[in-house]
Amino acid sequence: GENVEQHPSTLSVQEGDSAVIKCTYSDSASNYFPWYKQELGKRPQLIIDIRSNVGEKKDQRIAVTLNKTAKHFSLHITETQPEDSAVYFCAASRGATGANNLFFGTGTRLTVIP
Amino acid sequence: DTGVSQDPRHKITKRGQNVTFRCDPISEHNRLYWYRQTLGQGPEFLTYFQNEAQLEKSRLLSDRFSAERPKGSFSTLEIQRTEQGDSAMYLCASSPPGGGATGELFFGEGSRLTVL
Repeated sequence: GENVEQHPSTLSVQEGDSAVIKCTYSDSASNYFPWYKQELGKRPQLIIDIRSNVGEKKDQRIAVTLNKTAKHFSLHITETQPEDSAVYFCAASRGATGANNLFFGTGTRLTVIP
Repeated sequence: DTGVSQDPRHKITKRGQNVTFRCDPISEHNRLYWYRQTLGQGPEFLTYFQNEAQLEKSRLLSDRFSAERPKGSFSTLEIQRTEQGDSAMYLCASSPPGGGATGELFFGEGSRLTVL
């Protein structure tokens, strides 16, 4: 099955700096790569996703890059704000071509220091 | 609220007791998933339904776990003879037919189980 690895496990940045979280995956058939943000005691919420037919996607301060050849993808948050503090999970699935059950990384706890 | 709903939100039980969680997916979604999330970890896939058919089960789903979706709408997850290691958040998610445009899953708020 799919194996998703995520680094770092914790990340502290000063407000206004950028944060980068990296993930690798093992299943070459995976074609959908979402990122979820989870605040304490809350549900995971999708913040951005990317399909395998594109290499980069951006939404305001958040961007995701994908390298299918190397099987890794990254989340970039620019101009970080205290409300960005949360646990972020990457995930991979076969998307709409398969069962699309997600395989998650182990999470990155991001702390933005005011 | 037309999102995924789960009940109960919190359950405290004694070791050895049975517990059941319910999930109501978004109404037009025919795919339903159960995940387990322990403290400090990412959600782990448990099982997947398409309509009423259970199409995939993780090895994490021991004999004490059973999930049903009898009419292809709501689903239940039952844990028999609970153990302390079952303490976790149980998340339900749903997605549209065919996975939708991207394969996005929509999560519920989860049911937190504490086994004493």
